[in-house]
Amino acid sequence: AQSVTQLDSQVPVFEEAPVELRCNYSSSVSVYLFWYVQYPNQGLQLLLKYLSGSTLVKGINGFEAEFNKSQTSFHLRKPSVHISDTAEYFCAVDNNAGNMLTFGGGTRLMVKP
Amino acid sequence: GAGVSQTPSNKVTEKGKYVELRCDPISGHTALYWYRQSLGQGPEFLIYFQGTGAADDSGLPNDRFFAVRPEGSVSTLKIQRTERGDSAVYLCASSFLAGDSYEQYFGPGTRLTVT
Repeated sequence: AQSVTQLDSQVPVFEEAPVELRCNYSSSVSVYLFWYVQYPNQGLQLLLKYLSGSTLVKGINGFEAEFNKSQTSFHLRKPSVHISDTAEYFCAVDNNAGNMLTFGGGTRLMVKP
Repeated sequence: GAGVSQTPSNKVTEKGKYVELRCDPISGHTALYWYRQSLGQGPEFLIYFQGTGAADDSGLPNDRFFAVRPEGSVSTLKIQRTERGDSAVYLCASSFLAGDSYEQYFGPGTRLTVT
């Protein structure tokens, strides 16, 4: 079984500041990791994913994440946020068979002007 | 092209009633997933279809929940004898094939409120 912990339920940040959203996972097998974004009243949208290879993954909208196997982390970062980045962000891990995702509790990113 | 659609967008029902939630996946996607998102939490897996058959229904909470996908496209999630604890947003996702390389595309969800 696996689990995902998002350490911060809310992250307030000023526009153009950098941000890091933290994600830790536990699993007894090798995993694949994902970050999704959910804007109000919309479905989840994939930001980026780590399957293998380079541990630094770049996604859409200027986001990137780094897979750290020793720390079992997959933190999401953006060097300069915009008001439009205000949304709920979910970290997820697959079950190594590619047919279900286990999500963390989400982090609400609030970008202030 | 069209994304995953879900109907209705909102459903209010009384405790004990039966409800059906519908999901229209992206055309050509063979894999379909149902998740449930309770207030303030991340989505939780319910069931996954590959084609017409339920390949994994381990996330269904009890036998009041059932889902079908008779023609390998549209899916219906059915909840009998609804309880207040069933109130949540029910999300549907589809992918071209099941597997990590194939992105799951999510619909906007159906918000179910049981009074």
